[in-house]
Amino acid sequence: GAVVSQHPSWVICKSGTSVKIECRSLDFQATTMFWYRQFPKQSLMLMATSNEGSKATYEQGVEKDKFLINHASLTLSTLTVTSAHPEDSSFYICSASPGSGQPQHFGDGTRLSIL
Amino acid sequence: QKEVEQNSGPLSVPEGAIASLNCTYSDRGSQSFFWYRQYSGKSPELIMFIYSNGDKEDGRFTAQLNKASQYVSLLIRDSQPSDSATYLCAVNKSGGYNKLIFGAGTRLAVHP
Repeated sequence: GAVVSQHPSWVICKSGTSVKIECRSLDFQATTMFWYRQFPKQSLMLMATSNEGSKATYEQGVEKDKFLINHASLTLSTLTVTSAHPEDSSFYICSASPGSGQPQHFGDGTRLSIL
Repeated sequence: QKEVEQNSGPLSVPEGAIASLNCTYSDRGSQSFFWYRQYSGKSPELIMFIYSNGDKEDGRFTAQLNKASQYVSLLIRDSQPSDSATYLCAVNKSGGYNKLIFGAGTRLAVHP
């Protein structure tokens, strides 16, 4: 149980393109979903916390207009990287939790490369 | 002081030995503690979680929690080369937030 599906796995696109990443909890309802970014050989960095039906809460230093998050249902959250540039190239990982204090379960991640 | 601290390693152990991974945290209100394993280039995978003081065992893994000392550890018995990965300690943030604070991770290398 506790499977989180994330798509796509890889994205390679030109600078200026907007990229949408989907995160789905397949066998549980996720009251909260999280979006992380990880650069090579660095630790996970939380970008934002997404609660179903409400606006996402962004961590300090993360541009909300750059990284648009939508959490339309209890099983789906999306992250859109708008007008992506090479510095946005990174490993983006979502996670989902059934409730407060419960484990977060991670998707397989999306490797984004902006040329 | 970092909110969650781990020795970055690498921690090198021979195959079959016990690997001991340690983590300290600063938020006394934290109630939930997690260990994740992350292979290079992959996303984290939940290994163990513990909520109460003491030990919790699951197969070759044992999580230990001491809230008074703000210390949580993970023991891996009979270590295998396939256990070689980065182990992330995560602690929930108190105050009604439903988010985890991650340590930077300890890299474990199990050599044959």
